[in-house]
Amino acid sequence: EPEVTQTPSHQVTQMGQEVILRCVPISNHLYFYWYRQILGQKVEFLVSFYNNEISEKSEIFDDQFSVERPDGSNFTLKIRSTKLEDSAMYFCASSEDRVYTGELFFGEGSRLTVL
Amino acid sequence: GQQVMQIPQYQHVQEGEDFTTYCNSSTTLSNIQWYKQRPGGHPVFLIQLVKSGEVKKQKRLTFQFGEAKKNSSLHITATQTTDVGTYFCADRSYNTDKLIFGTGTRLQVFP
Repeated sequence: EPEVTQTPSHQVTQMGQEVILRCVPISNHLYFYWYRQILGQKVEFLVSFYNNEISEKSEIFDDQFSVERPDGSNFTLKIRSTKLEDSAMYFCASSEDRVYTGELFFGEGSRLTVL
Repeated sequence: GQQVMQIPQYQHVQEGEDFTTYCNSSTTLSNIQWYKQRPGGHPVFLIQLVKSGEVKKQKRLTFQFGEAKKNSSLHITATQTTDVGTYFCADRSYNTDKLIFGTGTRLQVFP
């Protein structure tokens, strides 16, 4: 069964450092997302990406965050200067169609720990 | 902004007992999706409800969408230890690409 894959599974970084989280969405999917989940809390939307551009972003997704689809398969989330409060599980997701009509397929997540 | 709340926050049941989680929104829901997240895992899609008053069943799971489209529920009959996890409802408005997740209900099942 096709799946969304994410790397790394866990990253520990020092505050102020840049972090890049990588995702390989399901190959025929057109919509890509990043969500985050602080330990024990709900899943929060960060950004959606379609047709090589951001289609929507949340208030959390400030200038420190960026997304890119550098080639036909990878979808990356970059945090330029990490803060303690960026510690969370980051989930990549993809969908064949817009969320209104279809389900999201989530990857297993990348746990980010900022020290 | 829109808030999607779920109650209860936690539920501990004995295996074989029933379980229900309720999802309530501050605004009218467009469509409701339900996801299950096992401990240490990622959200996995369960079902989508679109129509007012809709009821869907998946084996022991029954999903309902309120008549006024402001609430939804998930009922599990005769829970099993494999049902352990956090159940999230999630709403997406018609003209956005973001899914707004509820606060979740964590279910623990004791054998």
